[in-house]
Amino acid sequence: SQQGEEDPQALSIQEGENATMNCSYKTSINNLQWYRQNSGRGLVHLILIRSNEREKHSGRLRVTLDTSKKSSSLLITASRAADTASYFCATDPFYQGGSEKLVFGKGTKLTVNP
Amino acid sequence: GAGVSQSPSNKVTEKGKDVELRCDPISGHTALYWYRQRLGQGLEFLIYFQGNSAPDKSGLPSDRFSAERTGESVSTLTIQRTQQEDSAVYLCASSLGLVWGQETQYFGPGTRLLVL
Repeated sequence: SQQGEEDPQALSIQEGENATMNCSYKTSINNLQWYRQNSGRGLVHLILIRSNEREKHSGRLRVTLDTSKKSSSLLITASRAADTASYFCATDPFYQGGSEKLVFGKGTKLTVNP
Repeated sequence: GAGVSQSPSNKVTEKGKDVELRCDPISGHTALYWYRQRLGQGLEFLIYFQGNSAPDKSGLPSDRFSAERTGESVSTLTIQRTQQEDSAVYLCASSLGLVWGQETQYFGPGTRLLVL
């Protein structure tokens, strides 16, 4: 079953606006990662946030993690048309005891209109 | 350096035939993963290799699915007696396999499988 659930499922904004995507999960985690996927093919890693971190930045990306609410958000500031893609959160559930398996959500499809 | 490569990029097959999908991980990456992604869906974990052994096969959907890895390098995912519900993009990823719980996975472009 899917651990992470992103919302919204789809988001359409104008270039220059900010985009916020949310992810909720069910079990304790070691870390949470965000990935981007263009055109239904390979995924690109964006950022990893550990369970003891609350916020992390990378360029125009800002990720927050609230372990008490079991949720994370990804903010893309000053969006560009090239940011159009699907965004997935992936968790590394704490119960796994050694496996590196990531559990992915269904993703948010972001469209940035020029 | 080269990223993760997968072949073929597209595969069309008839129901009941066997298919083999190949993944070449990044050189030096000891961990390798296979995922399946159905149209419009997230990724489903299939199997994970650490070196040549597979400590986690929990995601393989049936005994028609198998995977092997040799030389801590190339991996092959085999689907026997394909069914239409096997149609999906099969994604392979690799990681260093050194630091449990903190690793970035690097994905290949995927193989798009269509079973007619």
